[in-house]
Amino acid sequence: GEDVEQSLFLSVREGDSSVINCTYTDSSSTYLYWYKQEPGAGLQLLTYIFSNMDMKQDQRLTVLLNKKDKHLSLRIADTQTGDSAIYFCAERNAGNMLTFGGGTRLMVKP
Amino acid sequence: DVKVTQSSRYLVKRTGEKVFLECVQDMDHENMFWYRQDPGLGLRLIYFSYDVKMKEKGDIPEGYSVSREKKERFSLILESASTNQTSMYLCASRGTGRVNEQYFGPGTRLTVT
Repeated sequence: GEDVEQSLFLSVREGDSSVINCTYTDSSSTYLYWYKQEPGAGLQLLTYIFSNMDMKQDQRLTVLLNKKDKHLSLRIADTQTGDSAIYFCAERNAGNMLTFGGGTRLMVKP
Repeated sequence: DVKVTQSSRYLVKRTGEKVFLECVQDMDHENMFWYRQDPGLGLRLIYFSYDVKMKEKGDIPEGYSVSREKKERFSLILESASTNQTSMYLCASRGTGRVNEQYFGPGTRLTVT
C-alpha cells in the first residue's frame, strides 16, 4: 500500500532556513500537500503541488518535488518562532484519498 | 470561511463505555472523514462518508462505527471503549474543488481509563 515517511523532529534557529523532507511510494499521486498543525489545533493546509510540477514558491515557502525519487521537501525561509508546529506531508492517490506522513515537529529557537 | 467543529476538545471515559464524537461542518461538503492521530504515526483514516447515510471503512475501522444522518453532521461511535483507543480524533470535510483540500476540526483528545 501507500507509505509516506518523514523525520520526526527538526530544530533550527530563528532566521535560519528550515527544510522538511518527505518520501512517498505511490507513483500515481496526483497532488502532494503540506499541512501545518499548531499546538492544540487541527491541521491547516499550508501549500500543495501538482504532480507534474517540480517547484512551487509561495512567499517564504518553497516546495520541491522530485518525482523520480518520490521525494518532496518544504523549505521555510527566515524561520520564525511562529513557525513552530508539526508539519505533515500528504499525498493524494487516484482514488482521491490522502495518505499522511507521521509528521515532523519543527522547533524554532530564538 | 469553512468551519468544522467537534463537540468536545477533551473527553475522559471508562473502559467499556459507549462514546460518541460529533463533527459538524458548515460548507455543505459531501465528503467527511474521521482520523485518529498518534505520535509518529501521523493521521490514520478510520471511516469516511461521501453522502448522507453512506459510509466506507478506512484503514483502521475495527472498534469504531459511524453515523451520517444529515449532510452537515458525521458522528464517530466507540461501541465499547478500550484503553488502546486513547488518542486524538480529528474530523475533516472536503469539497469538490480541483485541489480537494480537506478542512479539519480542532480535534478531540480522548482518554480511556
